[in-house]
Amino acid sequence: GAGVSQSPSNKVTEKGKDVELRCDPISGHTALYWYRQSLGQGLEFLIYFQGNSAPDKSGLPSDRFSAERTGGSVSTLTIQRTQQEDSAVYLCASSADRVGNQPQHFGDGTRLSIL
Amino acid sequence: AQTVTQSQPEMSVQEAETVTLSCTYDTSENNYYLFWYKQPPSRQMILVIRQEAYKQQNATENRFSVNFQKAAKSFSLKISDSQLGDTAMYFCAFRSNSGYALNFGKGTSLLVTP
Repeated sequence: GAGVSQSPSNKVTEKGKDVELRCDPISGHTALYWYRQSLGQGLEFLIYFQGNSAPDKSGLPSDRFSAERTGGSVSTLTIQRTQQEDSAVYLCASSADRVGNQPQHFGDGTRLSIL
Repeated sequence: AQTVTQSQPEMSVQEAETVTLSCTYDTSENNYYLFWYKQPPSRQMILVIRQEAYKQQNATENRFSVNFQKAAKSFSLKISDSQLGDTAMYFCAFRSNSGYALNFGKGTSLLVTP
């Protein structure tokens, strides 16, 4: 079936604006993850969803970041009042379940550039 | 917290040759999972190979194999018969048995030359 789909592929916006990033996981995958990939920090975990619930939001860097998942499927990551340090590639992944060695399948990411 | 270290920022290998990418990790847990992901310029992270810590046998996937040394906390990736399409960033990742997030190393940029 289709893989993890993310949109937009690229987003350029001005500092201070809000942005929404979308992730459509593999059908049937209950677990969904957001990661951020930046030059200085490498790949860092942001948030994990099991179904519609987010048991761990500890990776979100500030209260400007929020995420939700509806219907156990699509997730949106929202960044309010964007700052230049938010520039990065935001990767979404999904897995059939979080337990065991279930691999996480990644999308192509959204490259976010803050001017 | 678990840390993953990839000590080789860049590597180069000629087509058809063999190359080994290094990865070490730090954990106090006994059960966990290790992964190698490949990220070509297209940005998509592609799972290359995975290893369960409770399995002594090293995982293999076609031209890709690992050397898992649990006591040494080492998890290296060997690519045999390198192909031009293997050019990419390679990330080593750790996930604890009780966790869900992947902890990634900084990556190794591999260039396969003709």
